Amino acid sequence: DGGITQSPKYLFRKEGQNVTLSCEQNLNHDAMYWYRQDPGQGLRLIYYSQIVNDFQKGDIAEGYSVSREKKESFPLTVTSAQKNPTAFYLCASSTDSGDIQYFGAGTRLSVL
Amino acid sequence: EDQVTQSPEALRLQEGESSSLNCSYTVSGLRGLFWYRQDPGKGPEFLFTLYSAGEEKEKERLKATLTKKESFLHITAPKPEDSATYLCAVQAITDSWGKLQFGAGTQVVVTP
Repeated sequence: DGGITQSPKYLFRKEGQNVTLSCEQNLNHDAMYWYRQDPGQGLRLIYYSQIVNDFQKGDIAEGYSVSREKKESFPLTVTSAQKNPTAFYLCASSTDSGDIQYFGAGTRLSVL
Repeated sequence: EDQVTQSPEALRLQEGESSSLNCSYTVSGLRGLFWYRQDPGKGPEFLFTLYSAGEEKEKERLKATLTKKESFLHITAPKPEDSATYLCAVQAITDSWGKLQFGAGTQVVVTP
């Protein structure tokens, strides 16, 4: 089955700790995205990547980092600099920029 | 600045009671307007894309329409399985890399 796989489903972060969220797609999509969803707010873009080894900051990139070493993978690291990391994180991909974005099932991050 | 406002925030319907959800947008040149459905704890599921005023798309009990300033998602004779949060997003012509600006969503509950 083609799709986007996010792992883990739930993640807990201790203060001062960096954590990495995984996003893998087997749709052969070029573009990948990371969004953050908070209750009562729309999805907000953290980072996006149009091609391997290239990525751009979105609207709320502070405290986050990404890499795009392979077409299929776009991991997101939530660093200790992100003071309010508790949220639902969504990864998406599209054939190219501007096309329909398809989403993974999400990772819920909480702070211990 | 691009803005997307969805109303109402929440909607409670009896099974079979048709209704409409509104998505008002302000964007500097619309490239596309997207509707997604999101179930609790899951990622958004793509429903429709609309590109120009006057365009309509249908899928089962859902029909999406578009004007120059807003889009409507009509739910005809809803069933309990239509309960979900419906998200609207716009893509501007000026954003060549596919940025989606999301509204906060409308939470729909359909009771038997």
